[in-house]
Amino acid sequence: GAGVSQSPRYKVAKRGQDVALRCDPISGHVSLFWYQQALGQGPEFLTYFQNEAQLDKSGLPSDRFFAERPEGSVSTLKIQRTQQEDSAVYLCASTLNQWLKRETQYFGPGTRLLVL
Amino acid sequence: QKEVEQNSGPLSVPEGAIASLNCTYSDRGSQSFFWYRQYSGKSPELIMFIYSNGDKEDGRFTAQLNKASQYVSLLIRDSQPSDSATYLCAVRGPSGNTPLVFGKGTRLSVIA
Repeated sequence: GAGVSQSPRYKVAKRGQDVALRCDPISGHVSLFWYQQALGQGPEFLTYFQNEAQLDKSGLPSDRFFAERPEGSVSTLKIQRTQQEDSAVYLCASTLNQWLKRETQYFGPGTRLLVL
Repeated sequence: QKEVEQNSGPLSVPEGAIASLNCTYSDRGSQSFFWYRQYSGKSPELIMFIYSNGDKEDGRFTAQLNKASQYVSLLIRDSQPSDSATYLCAVRGPSGNTPLVFGKGTRLSVIA
């Protein structure tokens, strides 16, 4: 079956530009997570959705970052007035059943953002 | 702050040897533990998960968990050059609606 998909795969933005990154989770997956992975680092949590509800946004680094999942499936991560420190790979992951201890997160291919 | 520590490596092992990757974590409330493999330029791929103390084996991979010592390890037997990648340790609370906390990863190089 289809996995998690993300678009665009690569994005080059000029400093100050707004960008929107899209995530299509695995069909039927309730939970959706966004992570940011800087070069040479592990992924770091940004935000989490359960269906359309954003239950945790504690990892968003600033108010320039905004995420939504209005219909409980596709999610968009928006970054306003991009800065060079926003350059990273943005990973989306989804989970079917959020209540199980063994439940694993399946990652999309990521969007590689470069801010010049 | 929840932390997951890994030696960044690189860890170099000859082909056919056992590679041993280690991870420690700070949050005693962590309940589930995952090992992901990440090839350069690719997204993390789940290798194994473990949530009970002891060993769990899957093919050439064995995950080991010691909650008292807050320590997780991954052993790769009969290492192959295709195993060369960065291995990410991730820990999580008791259910799937909590985010994964990742280490920085250990870069493994298997020399033919």
